[in-house]
Amino acid sequence: QKEVEQDPGPLSVPEGAIVSLNCTYSNSAFQYFMWYRQYSRKGPELLMYTYSSGNKEDGRFTAQVDKSSKYISLFIRDSQPSDSATYLCAMSAGSGGSNYKLTFGKGTLLTVNP
Amino acid sequence: NAGVTQTPKFQVLKTGQSMTLQCAQDMNHNSMYWYRQDPGMGLRLIYYSASEGTTDKGEVPNGYNVSRLNKREFSLRLESAAPSQTSVYFCASSEYPNEQFFGPGTRLTVL
Repeated sequence: QKEVEQDPGPLSVPEGAIVSLNCTYSNSAFQYFMWYRQYSRKGPELLMYTYSSGNKEDGRFTAQVDKSSKYISLFIRDSQPSDSATYLCAMSAGSGGSNYKLTFGKGTLLTVNP
Repeated sequence: NAGVTQTPKFQVLKTGQSMTLQCAQDMNHNSMYWYRQDPGMGLRLIYYSASEGTTDKGEVPNGYNVSRLNKREFSLRLESAAPSQTSVYFCASSEYPNEQFFGPGTRLTVL
């Protein structure tokens, strides 16, 4: 079983839809959970960052972490064509010692159609 | 601020040739990373440098070497390129390990 599983999609939605992107993981030591957005032929950019369980909201984006289920989600409200990108989840066990490594999901390709 | 810059943007090599990918950051970050991204494989860590003067292997270090030249610069060297090293290479930097900032990438093709 891979440490982080993410459905690669592709996911295609109409403009204005609510989008749900998800990752599951197996390593119970993970405490930090990130979502990166990657436009075609560009580098990933950090979108959301959550520590431990709970929700975090930033504009149209909401990140949820359920550590008991080892499941994280990113919701995009009122999706726009400019949200079309690949979304990567990433996780790490901590911020010190050898825990400098992020483990990434393979990414979900999202297309928002006007 | 330019953030994280990478050179070159594109490169084509023949099997057995060597090359160095350059990365620089102007955010005064302590940590720097090299990843490769392949279709269906996601981002995989090659090497990282938690601070100036230290380097450590990541998930896929074979066939690569790195040098942390100073706090700003972190280079990746392919001594004898192989077709399996055809990939997109990303450099990243961070002050906090969980908030990494990525460069634009280098697209490398090995024939």
